[in-house]
Amino acid sequence: EVQLVESGGGLVQPGGSLRLSCAASGFIVSSNYMSWVRQAPGKGLEWVSAMFDGGSTKYADSVKGRFTISRHSSKNTLFLEMNSLRAEDTAVYYCARLSSSYAFDIWGQGTLVTVSS
Amino acid sequence: SYVLTQPPSVSVAPGQTARISCGGNNIATKSVHWYHQKPGQAPLLVVYDDRDRPSGIPERFSGSNSGNTATLTISRVEAGDEADYFCQVWDSSSDHWLFGGGTKLTVL
Repeated sequence: EVQLVESGGGLVQPGGSLRLSCAASGFIVSSNYMSWVRQAPGKGLEWVSAMFDGGSTKYADSVKGRFTISRHSSKNTLFLEMNSLRAEDTAVYYCARLSSSYAFDIWGQGTLVTVSS
Repeated sequence: SYVLTQPPSVSVAPGQTARISCGGNNIATKSVHWYHQKPGQAPLLVVYDDRDRPSGIPERFSGSNSGNTATLTISRVEAGDEADYFCQVWDSSSDHWLFGGGTKLTVL
């Protein structure tokens, strides 16, 4: 079964750091385009970052320079390293697989990140 | 930057047809994808590449894309279709993925 399972969310103080993980099953992370999408409480969806099979990465302007997307091939896992966190980064963070036409075709269940003092 | 505009809400009676629009400048030149999201759940892809359906999505869900508007059409609406619906494109000029603001579908 194709599945994504996120972990690592929690409560963190402003300026702090957090690392999210996304474990994949049923397909190979390093052979696919992968992404992170977030949703602030009661708000819409916002693309955060993407990583291509070749290893190139892209970031939304709102997180560029603070967040880093990476992967561990042998663990078949995608990561999102988040630094200098702000209150506005509070959201449910979803890991998602990107199709060849750039649709998010598989989603994880999400992990909640709360940035608050 | 490119903007996708959706109506905040659409209401429809059971058995009727719901149409949810997604406006964008020359959106017909882009591939539009649609998701629905029920409370407390992750989004689910229901239409991709303007009009194609992933495996397991009922034929009642269809899409179109012309001019400045893409449309998700849900025929014979059921109570279980009540959800938030989001359109999405990839914008080549910014090299970013963009979502519309979302439309809450209410089944009366």
